[in-house]
Amino acid sequence: DVKVTQSSRYLVKRTGEKVFLECVQDMDHENMFWYRQDPGLGLRLIYFSYDVKMKEKGDIPEGYSVSREKKERFSLILESASTNQTSMYLCASQRYNSPLHFGNGTRLTVT
Amino acid sequence: AQSVTQPDIHITVSEGASLELRCNYSYGATPYLFWYVQSPGQGLQLLLKYFSGDTLVQGIKGFEAEFKRSQSSFNLRKPSVHWSDAAEYFCAVAGVDSWGKLQFGAGTQVVVTP
Repeated sequence: DVKVTQSSRYLVKRTGEKVFLECVQDMDHENMFWYRQDPGLGLRLIYFSYDVKMKEKGDIPEGYSVSREKKERFSLILESASTNQTSMYLCASQRYNSPLHFGNGTRLTVT
Repeated sequence: AQSVTQPDIHITVSEGASLELRCNYSYGATPYLFWYVQSPGQGLQLLLKYFSGDTLVQGIKGFEAEFKRSQSSFNLRKPSVHWSDAAEYFCAVAGVDSWGKLQFGAGTQVVVTP
């Protein structure tokens, strides 16, 4: 069974800190994604990657960057965290043209 | 641009009763359609998907959904709900050439009462 692991379940950071959210998948999937989930808004795509060292912007990339140095790992970076980035962050992986598999999420609070 | 609307933010249903969750989409061509469920504290789990063919799709946990092109709808149904069906349900749409770039609806929270 596919496993997508997000390294932290809960994170509390201060405004202005640099924040790293880590995601690892164990099924050699080509594609990986970062979504943000907010009440009443559903999930919104931040960034995605189709291959190592490749990245593309999603619908709401502002304030975020990503890194994919290895196929199994996809990191979301908040260069300078702000309170409006308090949210649930969901990572997903996908074999080409197959459904997404999601991790359990990281709930980030920025104070 | 594609979009998804889930008109019901919150639904309360009695255990054993039937459930229908509505989903309407906007997309230029026939999209790929999905229903995901999220239990408290969990990630999203795929319930079912529609790509083409039979418009009535069977999924896991006894759920089914019907694609109606004329109404741009993809409603989710279950004949008899169980207390474990209490969760948030998301409808999503993707283009044929952009599988992973799902556009999600806002979600419907389902509460099951005894």
